[in-house]
Amino acid sequence: EVQLVESGGGLVKPGGSLRLSCAASGFTFSSYSMNWVRQAPGKGLEWVSSISSSSSYIYYADSVKGRFTISRDNAKNSLYLQMNSLRAEDTAVYYCARDPYSNLPGGWFDPWGQGTLVTVSS
Amino acid sequence: QSALTQPASVSGSPGQSITISCTGTSSDVGGYNYVSWYQQHPGKAPKLMIYEVSNRPSGVPDRFSGSKSGNTASLTISGLQAEDEADYYCSSYTSSSTLYVFGTGTKVTVL
Repeated sequence: EVQLVESGGGLVKPGGSLRLSCAASGFTFSSYSMNWVRQAPGKGLEWVSSISSSSSYIYYADSVKGRFTISRDNAKNSLYLQMNSLRAEDTAVYYCARDPYSNLPGGWFDPWGQGTLVTVSS
Repeated sequence: QSALTQPASVSGSPGQSITISCTGTSSDVGGYNYVSWYQQHPGKAPKLMIYEVSNRPSGVPDRFSGSKSGNTASLTISGLQAEDEADYYCSSYTSSSTLYVFGTGTKVTVL
């Protein structure tokens, strides 16, 4: 069964840092691009970042560019999101989601993990 | 990059058909066939319902169909059922400085 499990969320003060992880199983992780998508409480979905299968291509939303860093470790079947200089508006559930192909853009997200909540508050 | 525009809410009675629109620009919806649709029930992760404008993943009922005309994509649910009550989001590749953009979301209510 294809599965994505996020972890690393929690409560952090404004200006702080947090590192999210996404553990993949049930498929050949190194053959797929991956994405982070977030959803603020009661709000819609917002694409955050994408990384190609070999990490050659990386993209960020303007709202996180310069503060967030996406990375992956294909040997560990894991995706990461390093979040620095966090702001209140970064409070959201963060989902990892698989792209359909090794190169970007694949065009859609499937499957999704269950999400991990990040709360930025003093 | 602005979000794609969707109606805030759409409702219908069981058995009826409803259509959700998703309006973008020639830089996203109108320019590429990378439009996808997601269903999200409260407290759950989104689920892919349609990809590449009109393709259904295995396991998605054929009551769900997608189409596109110009800069507007549409998701139609035929034979509406109680379990279809959820939030629906469209998404598209965009040629802007980012990569993907989501719609504003539509709450579907089954009366």
